[in-house]
Amino acid sequence: DTAVSQTPKYLVTQMGNDKSIKCEQNLGHDTMYWYKQDSKKFLKIMFSYNNKELIINETVPNRFSPKSPDKAHLNLHINSLELGDSAVYFCASSQEAYTDTQYFGPGTRLTVL
Amino acid sequence: QKEVEQNSGPLSVPEGAIASLNCTYSDRGSQSFFWYRQYSGKSPELIMSIYSNGDKEDGRFTAQLNKASQYVSLLIRDSQPSDSATYLCAVNRGGATNKLIFGTGTLLAVQP
Repeated sequence: DTAVSQTPKYLVTQMGNDKSIKCEQNLGHDTMYWYKQDSKKFLKIMFSYNNKELIINETVPNRFSPKSPDKAHLNLHINSLELGDSAVYFCASSQEAYTDTQYFGPGTRLTVL
Repeated sequence: QKEVEQNSGPLSVPEGAIASLNCTYSDRGSQSFFWYRQYSGKSPELIMSIYSNGDKEDGRFTAQLNKASQYVSLLIRDSQPSDSATYLCAVNRGGATNKLIFGTGTLLAVQP
């Protein structure tokens, strides 16, 4: 069974569109994260939720909106997509916030044309 | 100054040699330190975590932490071609900014 799963794996879309990426973890973890990895492989945290509560909200455009319907799911919705949004987006989870091991999903490669 | 710095490499070592990967961090209050391995096109996976000064060994991997020098390293003994990947150093600063900060990674190439 996949511990942290994301859908879709690839997403190709036009500028200005709205898209969502879904993430689910079956590890029973309390904390989930969204990271963005750019073309230079720099991995940067965007958001973190602990038991459905937003605990980290980095300086990202408000076109990005995370939603956590329950502690096993964390989705990312992106409005009005721009070329610069092209990247690989990773979801991750950990048992506890902050210091525990983070387990990453397989990533979603987003390409904005 | 970047919060977590790594040499981007590539670091090329022959098979069987020791690969030494280094990382420095800027926040002296950082509390926990991680090494992740990322194969091309794959997601990061945790190799080692270290929380106190000194060495921590796990199989062929040894993490070393020196908080006074703000330095953490990863040694890979008996390097194998399958170790070829990007190694990401991550630091948890703790406190009000409790989150993982990643370095840009070091590309390791183990030559058969």
